[in-house]
Amino acid sequence: RKEVEQDPGPFNVPEGATVAFNCTYSNSASQSFFWYRQDCRKEPKLLMSVYSSGNEDGRFTAQLNRASQYISLLIRDSKLSDSATYLCVVNIILRSQGNLIFGKGTKLSVKP
Amino acid sequence: GAVVSQHPSWVICKSGTSVKIECRSLDFQATTMFWYRQFPKQSLMLMATSNEGSKATYEQGVEKDKFLINHASLTLSTLTVTSAHPEDSSFYICSARMTGTKNIQYFGAGTRLSVL
Repeated sequence: RKEVEQDPGPFNVPEGATVAFNCTYSNSASQSFFWYRQDCRKEPKLLMSVYSSGNEDGRFTAQLNRASQYISLLIRDSKLSDSATYLCVVNIILRSQGNLIFGKGTKLSVKP
Repeated sequence: GAVVSQHPSWVICKSGTSVKIECRSLDFQATTMFWYRQFPKQSLMLMATSNEGSKATYEQGVEKDKFLINHASLTLSTLTVTSAHPEDSSFYICSARMTGTKNIQYFGAGTRLSVL
């Protein structure tokens, strides 16, 4: 079983739509969680950290369910500029130093 | 936010040559830097962790003699792909962790390596 699993998509949505991505992780020792955004042929960029209490940043809301080992990202009022691949990332403290584990990403395409 | 500079952004080389990639943290000191590789439509895979002043820690399956890592200062780590072959063609990305940022890593823009 992969350490971080995501639906690869693509998710094709119209502008203004609400879209949700899910991610599951297998290692219960995972300590911190993130959503990164990666544009084609570019480096990943941190979108937001994910906390157990849930957190919101503008149109983006992230949720963490430790019991189910499940992370979600909700994007409201989608913009064309939201088109990208969204990477679910977990940090496992017990691994020797290099400890960010990346999912393969979920591709989002927002259409006019 | 923190800036990590990676150079070069694109390299095309002949099989058998060596390629050096630099990763610099421009406005902060990074005791730890990471090197990742990403093949098309695949996730980022950690290759090695680079600690300033000590030997790098390589992930399983990554040849340390082929991928030489040097982290001689708090702001610079280099990755040298020795005797590159076409199967080494990939997107190489470095990141740097700022001390005290709860494991947030800042990424360089990546280097696209094409070995002919």
